[in-house]
Amino acid sequence: GAVVSQHPSRVICKSGTSVKIECRSLDFQATTMFWYRQFPKQSLMLMATSNEGSKATYEQGVEKDKFLINHASLTLSTLTVTSAHPEDSSFYICSAILNSGGPYEQYFGPGTRLTVT
Amino acid sequence: EDQVTQSPEALRLQEGESSSLNCSYTVSGLRGLFWYRQDPGKGPEFLFTLYSAGEEKEKERLKATLTKKESFLHITAPKPEDSATYLCAVQARGGDYKLSFGAGTTVTVRA
Repeated sequence: GAVVSQHPSRVICKSGTSVKIECRSLDFQATTMFWYRQFPKQSLMLMATSNEGSKATYEQGVEKDKFLINHASLTLSTLTVTSAHPEDSSFYICSAILNSGGPYEQYFGPGTRLTVT
Repeated sequence: EDQVTQSPEALRLQEGESSSLNCSYTVSGLRGLFWYRQDPGKGPEFLFTLYSAGEEKEKERLKATLTKKESFLHITAPKPEDSATYLCAVQARGGDYKLSFGAGTTVTVRA
């Protein structure tokens, strides 16, 4: 149980184009999902909190117009990187909270490697 | 602001050589402390949640313990497949469920 998937696992795009990454909770409903990015040999950096049916909450320094987040259902959140540039190349990981009556444990997806050329 | 410090940054072990990883934290009211394992190019894999000082949890060769200021992840008789980066994170009490991560400890177990 508590499986989170991401699609695609890898994507290469040209500078100036937009890329959409999907995050799905496969066997549970998640009212809250999170988006992280991770640079090589660094820890996870929280980008935003995604709540079903409401606007995402972005961390300080994260451009909300560049990283569009939509949480349209209890099992799906999407991250769209708009007008991508090489500096947006990174490993993007989502997580979903399993509300099992107490733990609020976060389960992570396998990640999406974005390369902008 | 919540802070999580993990040590050492890297740990090289011989197969069967037990050791411990440290996670020191400061948080304004701890809801939970989490341990994850991350393999290269993959998302973190959930290992344990600890809620209160004195709590211990075990899974195969891993055992996590918690005090009011730190947590330890003990690896007993490690095998090469235990090689990974181990991440510690804290979740504060409050309205959101964000995690604050440490930088991780990269463990390499040689056969």
